[in-house]
Amino acid sequence: SQQGEEDPQALSIQEGENATMNCSYKTSINNLQWYRQNSGRGLVHLILIRSNEREKHSGRLRVTLDTSKKSSSLLITASRAADTASYFCATDASGTASKLTFGTGTRLQVTL
Amino acid sequence: GAGVSQSPSNKVTEKGKDVELRCDPISGHTALYWYRQRLGQGLEFLIYFQGNSAPDKSGLPSDRFSAERTGESVSTLTIQRTQQEDSAVYLCASSSGGVKFFGPGTRLTVL
Repeated sequence: SQQGEEDPQALSIQEGENATMNCSYKTSINNLQWYRQNSGRGLVHLILIRSNEREKHSGRLRVTLDTSKKSSSLLITASRAADTASYFCATDASGTASKLTFGTGTRLQVTL
Repeated sequence: GAGVSQSPSNKVTEKGKDVELRCDPISGHTALYWYRQRLGQGLEFLIYFQGNSAPDKSGLPSDRFSAERTGESVSTLTIQRTQQEDSAVYLCASSSGGVKFFGPGTRLTVL
């Protein structure tokens, strides 16, 4: 079953604009991860935020986590056409080598 | 190896046939996962291996699905008597901790 729900399901922006995607989940987590998927195939890990962290940055990516609301957001600043992809949040309940539970994804389209 | 590899990249089969999908994880990664992704949807967890044991098989949708792993290396996912609803991309991932590294997937089409 899906743990997370991403919002919006689809997002279309112009190059240079910022893109914000949200993720909500249901159960307690050890960490939350964001992945990017191009062309419906392999996933690329973007960033991991632990349950005791509130915000994390990596290049043009900014992730926030609110465990009281069981939600996370991914902000991509100064978007580029190459950012066009589907973005998934995934929750890790135990923090060990356990399964990730994925959300339904946000499809981002960045146009020139 | 450099990353997780999967074979075949594409598989077209007829309904009722058995298929075998292969995953080669990153060397040294003790944990291995199989996920299924139907068109336009998120990833569904199928099974998790720690070494060659499978502590979590909760995602396998039916007894037609089985998986094996040899030591801490190759894993095969077998689907017997395939059905059209089995059509999906099957993704394998491996890890040695929190971050999972995914393979490119096998796109299975059941006619």
